[in-house]
Amino acid sequence: NAGVMQNPRHLVRRRGQEARLRCSPMKGHSHVYWYRQLPEEGLKFMVYLQKENIIDESGMPKERFSAEFPKEGPSILRIQQVVRGDSAAYFCASTTGRETQYFGPGTRLLVL
Amino acid sequence: DAKTTQPPSMDCAEGRAANLPCNHSTISGNEYVYWYRQIHSQGPQYIIHGLKNNETNEMASLIITEDRKSSTLILPHATLRDTAVYYCIVRGLNNDMRFGAGTRLTVKP
Repeated sequence: NAGVMQNPRHLVRRRGQEARLRCSPMKGHSHVYWYRQLPEEGLKFMVYLQKENIIDESGMPKERFSAEFPKEGPSILRIQQVVRGDSAAYFCASTTGRETQYFGPGTRLLVL
Repeated sequence: DAKTTQPPSMDCAEGRAANLPCNHSTISGNEYVYWYRQIHSQGPQYIIHGLKNNETNEMASLIITEDRKSSTLILPHATLRDTAVYYCIVRGLNNDMRFGAGTRLTVKP
């Protein structure tokens, strides 16, 4: 009974490169949330997706960030042209809908 | 822009009950109170949630005041492994959750 899975767990990128973070929700879950956590801070909501739809992206930066949750495969958070300020832990959570969100172990992104 | 207020830190002796308070004075009638914890830098772990009534599960108890403006998470017999940051969250209508800074609970031997 696998939980939410995220990969990679650690990702190092140089400034200007692209970062792709993947999230596989729990079995039976069709809703995914992405959060970002800076050091010593709480999690900040970024985006809420349902299969093939973006429901709420009010927490996403307007540029360089995008997210998708295709019909098949994991949800992907993409950061283009990364900058040092993008260094953070990125967590995804999944749910069946309006129920409890269960979190993955996170991806630690370090931008050099 | 979290809708909750928690003390930044608390200590608790091992084996004793840990009572973590949370204020959510602007909560709406159909919004749930959720508690999660984060150990080191792991993903947040779900603990418990409630709407109006007190709730209990194998991890903790949640006491919600009658006016729903505050709640208390109770860990009945804290262990060293309960040392973590505990987040009290009011779940929004879109199921989004706004995390605050949480309470850093330190369980001491």
